[in-house]
Formats: sequence, structure tokens, C-alpha cells
Amino acid sequence: GAGVSQTPSNKVTEKGKYVELRCDPISGHTALYWYRQSLGQGPEFLIYFQGTGAADDSGLPNDRFFAVRPEGSVSTLKIQRTERGDSAVYLCASSSLAGSTDTQYFGPGTRLTVL
Amino acid sequence: GDSVTQMEGPVTLSEEAFLTINCTYTATGYPSLFWYVQYPGEGLQLLLKATKADDKGSNKGFEATYRKETTSFHLEKGSVQVSDSAVYFCALSDRVTSYDKVIFGPGTSLSVIP
Repeated sequence: GAGVSQTPSNKVTEKGKYVELRCDPISGHTALYWYRQSLGQGPEFLIYFQGTGAADDSGLPNDRFFAVRPEGSVSTLKIQRTERGDSAVYLCASSSLAGSTDTQYFGPGTRLTVL
Repeated sequence: GDSVTQMEGPVTLSEEAFLTINCTYTATGYPSLFWYVQYPGEGLQLLLKATKADDKGSNKGFEATYRKETTSFHLEKGSVQVSDSAVYFCALSDRVTSYDKVIFGPGTSLSVIP
């Protein structure tokens, strides 16, 4: 079946603009995660959804970042008043069930560039 | 808090050479340990994992053993190929929480030359 998909693959925006990044998890996966990967670094956790609710948003850097998953499937990461420091690859992952032995499957990422 | 440290790259090896990428971790609970790989132009893929002490994860000729006494999870392969060129990430997930919040190391870039 299809893997995790993310759109757009690349997004270039200007400082101060609003952006939305979309994630389509693997069908049937209830757990969804967002990570941010800066150049030369490993991914950093942003937020985790179990179903429709954000179970942990402790990784969101500030209140400019927000994510939703209204129907428990597709998720959107929203960034307001973008800053140059927000430039990174934003990764989405999903798993069938939250638990320490469940594999997270990652999407290809959205490369965000803030000019 | 929990963290992962891995050897800095880039690592350059000749084809058929032996590979070791060192990884050590700090965790308060009993984490599961992972190696992820990112091939050029592709997304992160799980390479192997181990969920408890002394477990050995293996896949595609790669192996790593969960060593609780040394808090290590070193990645090894006996004979690398050009197709193994990628960035390798050591990672852990914390069982203290109820879900897999994966914490990644900084990654080690591997280049294998013919």
C-alpha cells in the first residue's frame, strides 16, 4: 500500500508569511508524528497525535506553530509569521498503534525555505 | 533528558571494508533503540531495532547489539557496498511515556567508494 505522503515537497516563502504543510499517513494508522530536521542534524520531535487529539505538543518551538488532525487521518502543520530560522525539512511519520515496539514510517518530508 | 550521541562523520570507506558507527545513549527508563537510514533523495527508513538489553537487531547485513552496561548500540557491517552510502541515525524511544517519541542522534554520513 501507499506510504506516508507529504505535500508540498518544497515550499519557499518570505519572512512573515503563513504556511501550511500537509501529511497523509498510512491508511489505518492512528498515531501521527511531526518532526523537524535542520541541516546536518537529526530529526527533532514536534508533536504527536493519537487519533484527532494532540497527545503531546511539547516539541513545538513556540506559539507560531500549530497542527491539526480533524478527522484522525490527514494532518496539517501550520506556521504563522515565518522566520528564517524556521527553514528546515519537516517530516511526518505514522504508526499503527502507539507503543514502544511499533515502527514509525516516515514520509519524504517538506523542505521549507524562508527567505 | 534522554539523548543519543553518535560518531561524527563523514565516514569514507572502500567497497568491502568493515563498518562500525558508534552510538551511545542516555535514558532514564528502558528505551528501545533504533538505527534509521536516509539514502540520498529519500525519506528516513528504519534499518533495524532492538527493544531490550542484549537483543541484536539485524537487516541487510547490518547488525547492532543493545548493550545496557555500556549504554551503546553500535552499528556494524562486515562488507560495505557502494549502495550503502547514506546518512545513518541512531535513535531511541522512551518507554516511560506511553508512545514512541523518537529521539535521534545527529547522523553519520557514510560514503562508500568503489
